[in-house]
Amino acid sequence: IAGITQAPTSQILAAGRRMTLRCTQDMRHNAMYWYRQDLGLGLRLIHYSNTAGTTGKGEVPDGYSVSRANTDDFPLTLASAVPSQTSVYFCASSGSLGTGELFFGEGSRLTVL
Amino acid sequence: KNQVEQSPQSLIILEGKNCTLQCNYTVSPFSNLRWYKQDTGRGPVSLTIMTFSENTKSNGRYTATLDADTKQSSLHITASQLSDSASYICVVSSGAGSYQLTFGKGTKLSVIP
Repeated sequence: IAGITQAPTSQILAAGRRMTLRCTQDMRHNAMYWYRQDLGLGLRLIHYSNTAGTTGKGEVPDGYSVSRANTDDFPLTLASAVPSQTSVYFCASSGSLGTGELFFGEGSRLTVL
Repeated sequence: KNQVEQSPQSLIILEGKNCTLQCNYTVSPFSNLRWYKQDTGRGPVSLTIMTFSENTKSNGRYTATLDADTKQSSLHITASQLSDSASYICVVSSGAGSYQLTFGKGTKLSVIP
């Protein structure tokens, strides 16, 4: 069982470039989330999706966009990357929004120079 | 503002010893409290989820307690192993239909031979 697959695992990116982090789950979960994890801070929610076709803003959405065209995929796009977006990004899913166990991917480490 | 505070920030213990990690929260409304284990370079993995009515829950050598009156939780690790070396994250959920999970910054545990 793959669970949640994220790609790429790591990337170095020049400031101003566009970048999409991919996330796919095979658990047929309705809810999906994108978090960033920075040293000394707890995980912070960027965007979430309650179900296919709907998305919502989390705590730190600026500079990021998401889409949820189907149940399985939830890509995160940085339209024009800035150094402050250097972080480790985690995609997660749960059966429904706010309930049940949260399953995380292995993370995508992004460095913006 | 919802907050989750964890202590200690870091902890070093000898293999075979027990330890207890603390979590205090000020989150409202409260639905459940979760403990996650995050190995270095990996995504968090769920250890326990406790609702308001649950005082204690075990998962192998991990035992979590919850005092909803004082808004405190603890994670006790028995007979520690080298593989227990990880960050342990306390997370409080505001409930079904809510995307709001408040994450603690984690306790970094190092188990040494």
